[in-house]
Amino acid sequence: EVQLVESGGGLVQPGGSLRLSCAASGFTFSSYSMNWVRQAPGKGLEWVSYISSSSSTIYYADSVKGRFTISRDNAKNSLYLQMNSLRDEDTAVYYCAREGGTTRMPPVDAFDIWGQGTMVTVSS
Amino acid sequence: DIQMTQSPSSLSASVGDRVTITCQASQDISNYLNWYQQKPGKAPKLLIYDASNLETGVPSRFSGSGSGTDFTFTISSLQPEDIATYYCQQYDNPLITFGQGTRLEIK
Repeated sequence: EVQLVESGGGLVQPGGSLRLSCAASGFTFSSYSMNWVRQAPGKGLEWVSYISSSSSTIYYADSVKGRFTISRDNAKNSLYLQMNSLRDEDTAVYYCAREGGTTRMPPVDAFDIWGQGTMVTVSS
Repeated sequence: DIQMTQSPSSLSASVGDRVTITCQASQDISNYLNWYQQKPGKAPKLLIYDASNLETGVPSRFSGSGSGTDFTFTISSLQPEDIATYYCQQYDNPLITFGQGTRLEIK
């Protein structure tokens, strides 16, 4: 079964740090670009970050640039999000999402597989 | 950044109704537009990619159209299980953006 499972969420004080993980299974993780998407309570979806299959290309939303770092370990089939200098407004459910890309035929430039999400709460 | 304006923000319809949601991009994004469905407490699910292509396994009552700046998502005959929030998403720009969502309810 194709699956993404996030972990690492929790309660952290403003200014603190947290590292999220996303474990992939059921597909060749190293062939796919990956993303993090978040959703604040009662709000819409916000894209956070992108990493290509080889880690050669990385993008961040302006709201997290300089504070968050995306990375991956293809040998461990895992995606990560290091979150530093956390703010109240970072409180959200964080999803990892696979980008279908050209590995799928026909190519699917969309987020075709999502994890169940992990909750991050930033509060004093 | 490319802004995505989705309308309406909420919609109430009856089972069997035809439902239409629109999404407008702040600049030309060709057909780089996807649609997702999110049910309460669940992760989003891809329905339509490249503006009009139906994702594998998605019922044919869902469809999408448009290009450039104006896009439409349609449910041809609303079913009770379609109650959810729907989001458009552009990927023309590396900085991906979503519409604000349309909450669909049963009348």
